[in-house]
Amino acid sequence: SYELTQPPSVSVSPGQTASITCSGDKLGDKYVCWYQQKPGQSPVLVIYQDSKRPSGIPERISGSNSGNTATLTISGTQAMDEADYYCQAWDSSTGVVFGGGTKLTVL
Amino acid sequence: EVQLVESGGGVMRPGGSLRLSCAASGFTFDDYGMSWVRQAPGKGLEWVSGINWNGGSTGYADSVKGRFTISRDNAKNSLYLQMNSLRAEDTALYYCARDLTQDIVGAMGDWGQGTLVTVSS
Repeated sequence: SYELTQPPSVSVSPGQTASITCSGDKLGDKYVCWYQQKPGQSPVLVIYQDSKRPSGIPERISGSNSGNTATLTISGTQAMDEADYYCQAWDSSTGVVFGGGTKLTVL
Repeated sequence: EVQLVESGGGVMRPGGSLRLSCAASGFTFDDYGMSWVRQAPGKGLEWVSGINWNGGSTGYADSVKGRFTISRDNAKNSLYLQMNSLRAEDTALYYCARDLTQDIVGAMGDWGQGTLVTVSS
């Protein structure tokens, strides 16, 4: 079955750039999306089709996908960005696949 | 405003059955694929099952295949998950989510608040 791998945690200082990676075999051939989940809340889609932002998502959140790695980048990180982030892709044999999640800490 | 309201969760014994429902409003229900996603306490997201806009295509995680059945009633704007042969590892918060497209490709743009299923003896 297809698997996506994320680092368990990433730390960033306020105002700096945070990068969260998601790895999978030939991931660049698939569309990747990203979700943000804050404690006690439902997930929110922040990136779809590798780099598109739903309405209401700030421009400082961006995504890319190439080779075996997709990356979620948050520029000018703010305290409100502290959350769990999940990557997700679709595989023809496995179906919808989520990464294990990354806890972003804004120090 | 899009609303997805899950119901039907509860406490069940191992081996029991439960039917979850998701009532949708604020959008044209039969234009979108829908999924169930679960989250065990303190754990990550796990896709459970999905169904395309007309119910003609469904998909299941290996962990629930043969035990869970997804369905939808477009006339009632409702999504369902029939859960049989429940196991302790099925304990989780179950979310109903709307895909951005008619199909089941992920990219879930709207989520409900979830309904809690606890399987315990």
